[in-house]
Amino acid sequence: EVKLVESGGGLVKPGGSLRLSCAASGFTFTYYSLIWVRQAPGKGLEWVAYISRRSDQVKYAESVKGRFRLSRDDATESVLLQMNSLRVEDTAIYFCARELGGSAAGSDYWGQGTPVTVSS
Amino acid sequence: EVVLTQSPVTLSLSPGERATLSCRASQSLSTYLAWYQQRPGQAPRLLIYDASKRATGVPARFSGSGSGTDFTLTINSLEPEDFAVYYCQQRFTWPSVTFGGGTKVEIK
Repeated sequence: EVKLVESGGGLVKPGGSLRLSCAASGFTFTYYSLIWVRQAPGKGLEWVAYISRRSDQVKYAESVKGRFRLSRDDATESVLLQMNSLRVEDTAIYFCARELGGSAAGSDYWGQGTPVTVSS
Repeated sequence: EVVLTQSPVTLSLSPGERATLSCRASQSLSTYLAWYQQRPGQAPRLLIYDASKRATGVPARFSGSGSGTDFTLTINSLEPEDFAVYYCQQRFTWPSVTFGGGTKVEIK
């Protein structure tokens, strides 16, 4: 069974840092790229970042570029989202998802999300 | 940036009725559009990719159509579990993607 489990969310002050983790299981981790998507309270979905299966391509939304860093650890089959210089507007549930890859595809498995609250 | 506009924002229907959801793009996407369903408190679920292909396990009452800038998600004969929020996602600029604002299908 394919599973993605996010962790690491919590309450942090503006300007602070958090590291989110997404643990994958049930599939060959190195075959797939992964993404993070967030959802602010009562709002829609916002794509945050993408990492290719070999980590040779990493992309970020403009809203987080320069503050967030995405990496993957094939040994532990996890992806890590390091979030620095957090802002109130980064408050959201953060989901990781598996990418089928390519424009003519979609994100076929999602975790249940981890909440991040940025507040003083 | 590609902007996706979904309409209507809210659709009030009864079980058994047909739902027709629209997604319009600010530029041509070819067929590089996906649809997702999100029930309250749950993660999104992939329904349709490449504009018209059903994802694994998605019931046949869900269908997608369109190309270029205009896309439609149709749900034939709404079931109770279909009342949810639906998002379109453009993948023309993959791996950087964007989502529409969503359409909520609610029980009338």
